[in-house]
Amino acid sequence: EAQVTQNPRYLITVTGKKLTVTCSQNMNHEYMSWYRQDPGLGLRQIYYSMNVEVTDKGDVPEGYKVSRKEKRNFPLILESPSPNQTSLYFCASSLSVRRPSYEQYFGPGTRLTVT
Amino acid sequence: EDKVVQSPLSLVVHEGDTVTLNCSYEVTNFRSLLWYKQEKKAPTFLFMLTSSGIEKKSGRLSSILDKKELFSILNITATQTGDSAIYLCAVQETSGSRLTFGEGTQLTVNP
Repeated sequence: EAQVTQNPRYLITVTGKKLTVTCSQNMNHEYMSWYRQDPGLGLRQIYYSMNVEVTDKGDVPEGYKVSRKEKRNFPLILESPSPNQTSLYFCASSLSVRRPSYEQYFGPGTRLTVT
Repeated sequence: EDKVVQSPLSLVVHEGDTVTLNCSYEVTNFRSLLWYKQEKKAPTFLFMLTSSGIEKKSGRLSSILDKKELFSILNITATQTGDSAIYLCAVQETSGSRLTFGEGTQLTVNP
């Protein structure tokens, strides 16, 4: 089944404790992206990757890191989480943004709480 | 800075009603506008619109784009309780790498 998976789905952690949220897709998609969703602010793009070893900042990259060493994986790293990073996080992927139209597939979401 | 504004933010209707959701945008290099439906989970794709005046239709849902006035509408006819969800509008810029989302419209359809 074609899908985007994220782990963990729920995480409660403390300020300053490094964490990684994994994202994996099995559709051979070139493009992957991370979003956070907060009430009243909608979905905001954190980082994106056009292909392996190519990553770039979105609208809200501060406090986050990503890497794209393999096509299928795009982990989101919080080196020193803070309470303002409490949010619902979505990973998404699409075949290629070079195509004239594309559908972005979203993962199930990771609800992160930083205390 | 690219901007997407949706209205209304919240809407409560009865089954069978027709609803119109609005999305206006400001984007430097427009490529396409997308609509997503989000229930209690990940957003799912509904439509992608790239040309003005061409209606996209899927069952009871339809959408159209006006690139001159910089807005799109999503219509849902004969609403059902299963249509209750957040409807998200997003604009893609020319390179295709960036999606800017609006806040979403929370639609509640009561029986």
